[in-house]
Amino acid sequence: EVVLTQSPGTLSLSPGQRATLSCRASQTIGTNFIAWYQQKVGQAPRLLIHGASSRATGIPDRFRGSGSGTDFTLTITRLEPDDFAVYYCQHYGTSPPGTFGRGTKLDLK
Amino acid sequence: HLVQSGAEVKEPGASVKVSCMASGYTFTSYGIGWVRQAPGQGLEWMGWISPYNGNTNYAQRLQGRVILTTDRSTSTAYMELRNLRSDDTAMYYCARDISSGLFSYYMDVWGAGTTVTVSS
Repeated sequence: EVVLTQSPGTLSLSPGQRATLSCRASQTIGTNFIAWYQQKVGQAPRLLIHGASSRATGIPDRFRGSGSGTDFTLTITRLEPDDFAVYYCQHYGTSPPGTFGRGTKLDLK
Repeated sequence: HLVQSGAEVKEPGASVKVSCMASGYTFTSYGIGWVRQAPGQGLEWMGWISPYNGNTNYAQRLQGRVILTTDRSTSTAYMELRNLRSDDTAMYYCARDISSGLFSYYMDVWGAGTTVTVSS
């Protein structure tokens, strides 16, 4: 089973800055089947990115997914106040089924 | 659009069954995934079912306690968790999974969640 390690655990930034969130897999993911979700307090998660770099419907281009192999990154350029939330990566399309990383909390500095 | 059933309070050892009614899309063209989140914790993938062919995948640590089913006549998915323990207290989400085939993929539409509390 692939284990996903997200870092940092917490990232404190200000609006207008750039956020870089990491998701490292314990094994090579040849298919790039990595998704990223955003979860705000008291809300259900929202899909941001699938296939490591494809934005979901309605997601602004400030959210960019990249990476391959074992290292994947979610970059949020020009942070807006609404972006402060917890972000999870997930590996999918495998047997045994994929799991989520433990999340990165993006905090307002 | 996914509408989940209301909050539940159960005693240890009991079972709970959460429903998730889908609308606005062809129910059999997508899977349904279930994810839970204990208070203050991260997301835990529980399982996936294809309403199209009945295929299921379950998280290994829940295997034997969780059962996923669907009713195509009402476009409703169900998650039953048996032999409840206190650490099953969590928010339970259903979500539309892009895959209706062999494996779960990613989830693009989420329900609002159902709170399940296990307490004596």
